[in-house]
Amino acid sequence: GQQLNQSPQSMFIQEGEDVSMNCTSSSIFNTWLWYKQDPGEGPVLLIALYKAGELTSNGRLTAQFGITRKDSFLNISASIPSDVGIYFCAGNTNAGKSTFGDGTTLTVKP
Amino acid sequence: GAVVSQHPSWVICKSGTSVKIECRSLDFQATTMFWYRQFPKQSLMLMATSNEGSKATYEQGVEKDKFLINHASLTLSTLTVTSAHPEDSSFYICSATYDRGAWGYTFGSGTRLTVV
Repeated sequence: GQQLNQSPQSMFIQEGEDVSMNCTSSSIFNTWLWYKQDPGEGPVLLIALYKAGELTSNGRLTAQFGITRKDSFLNISASIPSDVGIYFCAGNTNAGKSTFGDGTTLTVKP
Repeated sequence: GAVVSQHPSWVICKSGTSVKIECRSLDFQATTMFWYRQFPKQSLMLMATSNEGSKATYEQGVEKDKFLINHASLTLSTLTVTSAHPEDSSFYICSATYDRGAWGYTFGSGTRLTVV
């Protein structure tokens, strides 16, 4: 099946630093999605990307849909302690199914 | 808007019993709901796609007789884990969309199942 390679697996950063994570795939996706999951909760959608090359921001978050439709990145600027959590990328096909990356665990030190 | 409610949030059951988990879309009609399973420190694995009024489509390796899915209305899908065993202990999460994910999916808060 389709697989997404998400990196890095984990990040330990200082408050105020910028963060970057990305996902790559051997398959083409029609939509890329970025989610954040807190412990014991379901994922919450952060940003959705619908077109190749699209660059979208949501507050301190910026994400881009790669031109080849096989990759995407998420940047978080000026990190704060509440950014702590697990970030997942997900690619959607025409059938509407999502394939998730393995997640990036972010730790922010005050 | 776009709230998905999942119930219960946690359940402990004895081995051999069945457990039902509900997923409701509160403020929209969900033509499609998805059920995921997540083991600790792992990603979400899609179990099945549930379409209102039709049979669920299961992913390869998921036993349809063990994980019964019913999507009787546009706002409710249920997952029943039948004859549960300790290896079924996991975090089960549903998500819902009304437009094949064109705007992304809304996830429920998950159900922690522990089988003892």
